[in-house]
Amino acid sequence: NAGVTQTPKFQVLKTGQSMTLQCAQDMNHNSMYWYRQDPGMGLRLIYYSASEGTTDKGEVPNGYNVSRLNKREFSLRLESAAPSQTSVYFCASIKQNQETQYFGPGTRLLVL
Amino acid sequence: DQQVKQNSPSLSVQEGRISILNCDYTNSMFDYFLWYKKYPAEGPTFLISISSIKDKNEDGRFTVFLNKSAKHLSLHIVPSQPGDSAVYFCAASAYGTSYGKLTFGQGTILTVHP
Repeated sequence: NAGVTQTPKFQVLKTGQSMTLQCAQDMNHNSMYWYRQDPGMGLRLIYYSASEGTTDKGEVPNGYNVSRLNKREFSLRLESAAPSQTSVYFCASIKQNQETQYFGPGTRLLVL
Repeated sequence: DQQVKQNSPSLSVQEGRISILNCDYTNSMFDYFLWYKKYPAEGPTFLISISSIKDKNEDGRFTVFLNKSAKHLSLHIVPSQPGDSAVYFCAASAYGTSYGKLTFGQGTILTVHP
């Protein structure tokens, strides 16, 4: 039982490049989330998927898109990366009617 | 608009003593509160939680206190151990209406000295 996995662990992009961050969970959880963590800002919600087939914006969605590919997988896409998107990105999941989110190990992204 | 605030960026404590981490919130719709612990290069891990119908929840060395009238919660760690050194995040949700969405504080770096 791997829990929540994220790939890649680390990525360097040039401004304007695109990439997709992958997240998968094997706990049969319904809801999945993408957060970014910046110094002094805590974790901020980018997008979430309450259930398979649905996605909604969080607090800081601009510059990102998401896809809930199936119940297990939730990807985050940067179409045209900007230096302001340099951050650590965490994926999380939760079982229905519970409040404890389980987090992946994070993806560290550097945009030059 | 920071709805959950942790006003102390860091806290330094001697091993064996009590660590008290504080958190304030402004949204009166929040009714469930959690503490997460995060080590460098790892994801946050759940530590302890409390529902708004309680004012205290205890789990081993960790106790969370909730003061709803003051919109304040605190995490007590007794006794503190060097392995407790990490970043602690307070988080809040409006259970049942938020699809599990959490609002996090900025985090407090706890250092426990041997």
